[in-house]
Amino acid sequence: NAGVTQTPKFQVLKTGQSMTLQCAQDMNHNSMYWYRQDPGMGLRLIYYSASEGTTDKGEVPNGYNVSRLNKREFSLRLESAAPSQTSVYFCASSESWDDGYTFGSGTRLTVV
Amino acid sequence: RKEVEQDPGPFNVPEGATVAFNCTYSNSASQSFFWYRQDCRKEPKLLMSVYSSGNEDGRFTAQLNRASQYISLLIRDSKLSDSATYLCVVIKGSYIPTFGRGTSLIVHP
Repeated sequence: NAGVTQTPKFQVLKTGQSMTLQCAQDMNHNSMYWYRQDPGMGLRLIYYSASEGTTDKGEVPNGYNVSRLNKREFSLRLESAAPSQTSVYFCASSESWDDGYTFGSGTRLTVV
Repeated sequence: RKEVEQDPGPFNVPEGATVAFNCTYSNSASQSFFWYRQDCRKEPKLLMSVYSSGNEDGRFTAQLNRASQYISLLIRDSKLSDSATYLCVVIKGSYIPTFGRGTSLIVHP
């Protein structure tokens, strides 16, 4: 039982490059989330998907897009990376909005 | 006032000590509450949910005080392995949870 799997674990991008962070869960959870974590800022929600086929903006959506490909997979895309997007990105899933979350192990992204 | 506030610490305690953290929240309509543990450079992991009646899991006790709008986490008989950052999470009844910035705990021999 893998839980939540994120790829890649590490990535270095140049300013202006694009990339997609992948996330998959095998717990049959309905809801999936993308967070970023920065020193001193805590975890901030970028986008979430309450259920398959829906996505909504979180607290800090600018510069990102998401796709809920199916119930298992929720990807995060940076179209034109900026140094301000240097962060640790966590994907999470939950059965419903008031359940606890299971997090992936994170992607450490550096934009130079 | 921030939506969810935690004392960042660090709390430095000896093994065997009892330590307590609080987390205050500003929205009285908040409905669900959790404590997570995060080790350095790792993902957060759910420690426990916080119920109105309070709940206990081994050495850990979580309580909710709706009147004063805070949740607490009590750790008894601290172990070296309890050293971590403890995050509180408050959910207002939408899909947008709010995480506190975390309280750092260091347990020393």
